[in-house]
Amino acid sequence: AQSVTQLGSHVSVSEGALVLLRCNYSSSVPPYLFWYVQYPNQGLQLLLKYTSAATLVKGINGFEAEFKKSETSFHLTKPSAHMSDAAEYFCAVSETGANNLFFGTGTRLTVIP
Amino acid sequence: DVKVTQSSRYLVKRTGEKVFLECVQDMDHENMFWYRQDPGLGLRLIYFSYDVKMKEKGDIPEGYSVSREKKERFSLILESASTNQTSMYLCASSWGAEGNQPQHFGDGTRLSIL
Repeated sequence: AQSVTQLGSHVSVSEGALVLLRCNYSSSVPPYLFWYVQYPNQGLQLLLKYTSAATLVKGINGFEAEFKKSETSFHLTKPSAHMSDAAEYFCAVSETGANNLFFGTGTRLTVIP
Repeated sequence: DVKVTQSSRYLVKRTGEKVFLECVQDMDHENMFWYRQDPGLGLRLIYFSYDVKMKEKGDIPEGYSVSREKKERFSLILESASTNQTSMYLCASSWGAEGNQPQHFGDGTRLSIL
């Protein structure tokens, strides 16, 4: 069975500081992994996806994530936080041949001026 | 860009009413999904569909049904609304059968059942 764990339901960083949002997955087969962002009163927007090509994936808005099979992790990072990054972030996993996504419970990012 | 449109952003209904939430996508996607989102629980899959007139139960189908009469439209139905169905409802669509394609989301419907 697939599952996703996002450590930390709330993360606060100062503007300009490193953003690190953690995601660990559980999957019996090589997974596909996604990060989504949700701004207030909006739906989810795709940030980036891992589909078994390069392990370091670059996304929109300066975010990137690294797939580490040995650690079953797919953490999201951004070198320098911006006020506009304040949002909720969701990690999701799917498997080959299955269209369903399994979502983590989300991490709310606050950026302190 | 893919456009997923949910018919209402905010909806208020009464207990026992039959409620329809509509979702339309404009990219000829085969797959469509309905989720509910609650604080601390993330997104939970209610129903999904891989083709017209086809539906599959997700993780929490109780109290809900769906209809997909046309490829672009996927409707969620609350047969007899209850207060515990107050939530944010999100529709999504995707194409392909390999699992490597992202889902595209609508802006959500915030539903309140009084």
